[in-house]
Amino acid sequence: AQSVAQPEDQVNVAEGNPLTVKCTYSVSGNPYLFWYVQYPNRGLQFLLKYITGDNLVKGSYGFEAEFNKSQTSFHLKKPSALVSDSALYFCQGQGGKLIFGQGTELSVKP
Amino acid sequence: NAGVTQTPKFQVLKTGQSMTLQCAQDMNHEYMSWYRQDPGMGLRLIHYSVGAGITDQGEVPNGYNVSRSTTEDFPLRLLSAAPSQTSVYFCASSYNLGQGGSEAFFGQGTRLTVV
Repeated sequence: AQSVAQPEDQVNVAEGNPLTVKCTYSVSGNPYLFWYVQYPNRGLQFLLKYITGDNLVKGSYGFEAEFNKSQTSFHLKKPSALVSDSALYFCQGQGGKLIFGQGTELSVKP
Repeated sequence: NAGVTQTPKFQVLKTGQSMTLQCAQDMNHEYMSWYRQDPGMGLRLIHYSVGAGITDQGEVPNGYNVSRSTTEDFPLRLLSAAPSQTSVYFCASSYNLGQGGSEAFFGQGTRLTVV
């Protein structure tokens, strides 16, 4: 079965430090992978996607993600975290329908 | 271009009442889906549709019905509301998944409370 997993329920980072939110996938064929952010009382907003090509993709708000086929991972990264990055992050794949990870709560402290 | 519009934003129901959550998109997306989001549970798929006239069940379909008579609209019906259906509901749409590569667009959510 197709699946996407986010192994960490919560990630805590100090402002200014790099952040990583992890995602692993199990899909057949070419993986199409996405990251979204959800702020309180809002719907999910698209950040970035991997379709094909460069393994490092850049997206909104300074975020980037690294696709690693051998490790079946698509981790979200940012070189320097901001307090305003604190939110819920979802990884998504596709397999006949949209497949979401469980979500990771990112908390960035001053 | 309004994107994905969900109505209402808030709703309180009594146990046993029925209601319809509306979802409309103006992007000519073939794929539409409904999710519920509960604390600590992530997004759980209720029903989805890959085109007008085609619907399928997700992981938590019990107590909910859907239909897709047009490309634009994908209403979610609660047949007989129960307190366990208290949740935040999101509608999402995307281009045809068979072509891959298209991100999902989400509505702003409906916060439903069943008392």
